[in-house]
Amino acid sequence: DTGVSQDPRHKITKRGQNVTFRCDPISEHNRLYWYRQTLGQGPEFLTYFQNEAQLEKSRLLSDRFSAERPKGSFSTLEIQRTEQGDSAMYLCASRTKGDSPLHFGNGTRLTVT
Amino acid sequence: QQQVKQSPQSLIVQKGGIPIINCAYENTAFDYFPWYQQFPGKGPALLIAIRPDVSEKKEGRFTISFNKSAKQFSLHIMDSQPGDSATYFCAASNSGGSNYKLTFGKGTLLTVNP
Repeated sequence: DTGVSQDPRHKITKRGQNVTFRCDPISEHNRLYWYRQTLGQGPEFLTYFQNEAQLEKSRLLSDRFSAERPKGSFSTLEIQRTEQGDSAMYLCASRTKGDSPLHFGNGTRLTVT
Repeated sequence: QQQVKQSPQSLIVQKGGIPIINCAYENTAFDYFPWYQQFPGKGPALLIAIRPDVSEKKEGRFTISFNKSAKQFSLHIMDSQPGDSATYFCAASNSGGSNYKLTFGKGTLLTVNP
């Protein structure tokens, strides 16, 4: 169990650019979540995958955001045409089925200049 | 609409003190209440969690008290240490219907002075 891995840890981009983040969940965790955390706030739910199926999306996930989990293992979160308001920590989390707890990665901190 | 309200926003205690962090929820469908600890630059880490069928749960120095009728729950940290200085988040979810999607409070920044 090596934990949830996220890459990159930090990303600085200019407004209008596209960015993509990657999440590798804990091995055999078939449920994967993306959250966003802004300074001084708790994490906010963005989207949820069970295996490769994206089962729920928050209204926070605008049309500029897209997430995939093509083979039910790693996941990517892409933000197109970034805006300054997208600056935040993007957290990935995973769990197995049943009552298993949610395990978070250390996040990708995005700064849009 | 903030579904989980957490207080206080920040808390300073001396080593050995017992900080108490409180949370209140609105959604009566919530049935799973975890607490997470977060250090700067790190993701949240699960500390302890409770379900409404018990009023208290203890793990090491951490205790959750749960009041279902008041829709409130709290975290107590016994014999607090400087290493406990971190941000603490309460959360809640409806495990039956919402894919364990967690709704978080805004967090409490705890400082334990030596």
